[in-house]
Amino acid sequence: GAGVSQSPSNKVTEKGKDVELRCDPISGHTALYWYRQSLGQGLEFLIYFQGNSAPDKSGLPSDRFSAERTGGSVSTLTIQRTQQEDSAVYLCASSSGQRNTQYFGPGTRLTVL
Amino acid sequence: QKEVEQNSGPLSVPEGAIASLICTYSDRGSQSFFWYRQYSGKSPELIMSIYSNGDKEDGRFTAQLNKASQYVSLLIRDSQPSDSATYLCAEDTGGFKTIFGAGTRLFVKA
Repeated sequence: GAGVSQSPSNKVTEKGKDVELRCDPISGHTALYWYRQSLGQGLEFLIYFQGNSAPDKSGLPSDRFSAERTGGSVSTLTIQRTQQEDSAVYLCASSSGQRNTQYFGPGTRLTVL
Repeated sequence: QKEVEQNSGPLSVPEGAIASLICTYSDRGSQSFFWYRQYSGKSPELIMSIYSNGDKEDGRFTAQLNKASQYVSLLIRDSQPSDSATYLCAEDTGGFKTIFGAGTRLFVKA
């Protein structure tokens, strides 16, 4: 079956611009996660959604970052007024809830010039 | 704050040897752990999960969980150059949140 998809695969933007990153989880998965991974670093948790519950936003680094999940499926991560330190790979994962096994998408590589 | 610690490596082993990766955790109440493999430039992929004390084997991979000493390990037998990657340990904190370690880089020399 189809895995987690993300778009775009690469995004180059100028400092100060807003960007939107999209994640399409595996069909039927109730949980969706966003992570950030800087070059050579581990995964930094940003936010997760579980069903209709309020999202856990505890990992968002600043109020420039926000995310939505519409209809319990597709999610969009928005970064406003991008900064150079936002450059990283943004990974999305989804989980069916069974033992919390997460399946990752291919990621979006964001470069802020 | 709950933490998962891993040696960043690189861990270098010759082809055919056993590679041993260790992960320690701080939350004594944690129940479930995962090992993910991440090739350079790729996304993490699940290798194994372990939920109870003891060993779990899957092919060349064996995960070990020791709750008394609060560590989880991954042994890779007959290591191959294709095993060269970063291995991420992850802890299920309960509910749906997972904490990832920073990963250990493994290099298998041909």
